[in-house]
Amino acid sequence: AQSVTQLGSHVSVSEGALVLLRCNYSSSVPPYLFWYVQYPNQGLQLLLKYTSAATLVKGINGFEAEFKKSETSFHLTKPSAHMSDAAEYFCAVGTGFQKLVFGTGTRLLVSP
Amino acid sequence: DAGVIQSPRHEVTEMGQEVTLRCKPISGHDYLFWYRQTMMRGLELLIYFNNNVPIDDSGMPEDRFSAKMPNASFSTLKIQPSEPRDSAVYFCASSFGVMGNQPQHFGDGTRLSIL
Repeated sequence: AQSVTQLGSHVSVSEGALVLLRCNYSSSVPPYLFWYVQYPNQGLQLLLKYTSAATLVKGINGFEAEFKKSETSFHLTKPSAHMSDAAEYFCAVGTGFQKLVFGTGTRLLVSP
Repeated sequence: DAGVIQSPRHEVTEMGQEVTLRCKPISGHDYLFWYRQTMMRGLELLIYFNNNVPIDDSGMPEDRFSAKMPNASFSTLKIQPSEPRDSAVYFCASSFGVMGNQPQHFGDGTRLSIL
């Protein structure tokens, strides 16, 4: 069975600073990996998806994530944080006919 | 394109009352998921359907919870009788194709408060 671990329930950055949100997965077969964002009072929205076509995946709002098989990681980054990036971010892993497994989420706080 | 539509957005009711949450998935999607989100337990999968058939309801907390999908464009999650510990945000999501390979599309949720 697959699993996903998000390190850090909260991450604080200053506006303009690098954003790094960590996700490590466990899967016995090649996984599909997803990052979602949740703004207050909204549902989860897909940021990006890894499907094995390319290890560096670009998503919406300037976010990207790199799949590193040797490290079983799929960390989310953005070069320069904006106030509007403040939200909760979820990593998820899926394989074939197994249901997606979501991480516990990381809340990103952006200060001026 | 219309996304996943949930109703109502907010529900406040008294303990013991029946609560019905509604979901309209994205047209053409063949999977439908019900989740519950709380501060304490995070995001929990309650049940999911494939082609209107319930596949896995192992996440349904108690017999007080039931879900139906009478057709491809509508699903309900019912709680009867409701209890204060059922207070949470309930999300519906849908997807198309091989379940683990495809992203799920979420509605904006129903915020349920049981007094």
